[in-house]
Amino acid sequence: NAGVTQTPKFQVLKTGQSMTLQCAQDMNHEYMSWYRQDPGMGLRLIHYSVGAGITDQGEVPNGYNVSRSTTEDFPLRLLSAAPSQTSVYFCASGEQGLAGVSMAGELFFGEGSRLTVL
Amino acid sequence: AQKITQTQPGMFVQEKEAVTLDCTYDTSDPSYGLFWYKQPSSGEMIFLIYQGSYDQQNATEGRYSLNFQKARKSANLVISASQLGDSAMYFCAMRESNTGNQFYFGTGTSLTVIP
Repeated sequence: NAGVTQTPKFQVLKTGQSMTLQCAQDMNHEYMSWYRQDPGMGLRLIHYSVGAGITDQGEVPNGYNVSRSTTEDFPLRLLSAAPSQTSVYFCASGEQGLAGVSMAGELFFGEGSRLTVL
Repeated sequence: AQKITQTQPGMFVQEKEAVTLDCTYDTSDPSYGLFWYKQPSSGEMIFLIYQGSYDQQNATEGRYSLNFQKARKSANLVISASQLGDSAMYFCAMRESNTGNQFYFGTGTSLTVIP
């Protein structure tokens, strides 16, 4: 069971470089999201998607782009890396909740990607 | 305003004792879910327990239980009979129906189990 697969696990970039963090899930989840985790700040939502072709911004979207061309894949693009983007990034997917019925359906996380921007 | 507040940056508990990790939330949506995750030093996020806003009883999963007090908007995690392997970061999270199913996470509590 692959679940949520993130690549790469580690990456070092220089300021101004661009890169893409890949995320794929094999659970047919409609909901996918990207978080960054920084010490003392918990997990902050960058972007999320509720289905192919639909994306929206989270709490900290600046400097990041996403797209969702398929249900399985949700790549995160850093357009011009900055030292402030040094962080651990998590991709997560889950089933949609049903308003008025149930918000059950936990997020399944990838293993995380540690990004350092010099 | 913070959606999820965890006021205990660090907690210590003696092995085999019970410990309560605090979580308060802020929402006006009647339809929401509350989740707890564990993050050991290896970094992965492990789902522990879920409580729905419509659930009448507190959720339990093995040694984990969720003390859900809806009127006070609190969802504290209780770990019974602590084990050394429980040492980890613990995150409380909430999902609301009226914000596109976004998950909001707290800043976490670092739990250390003392032998």
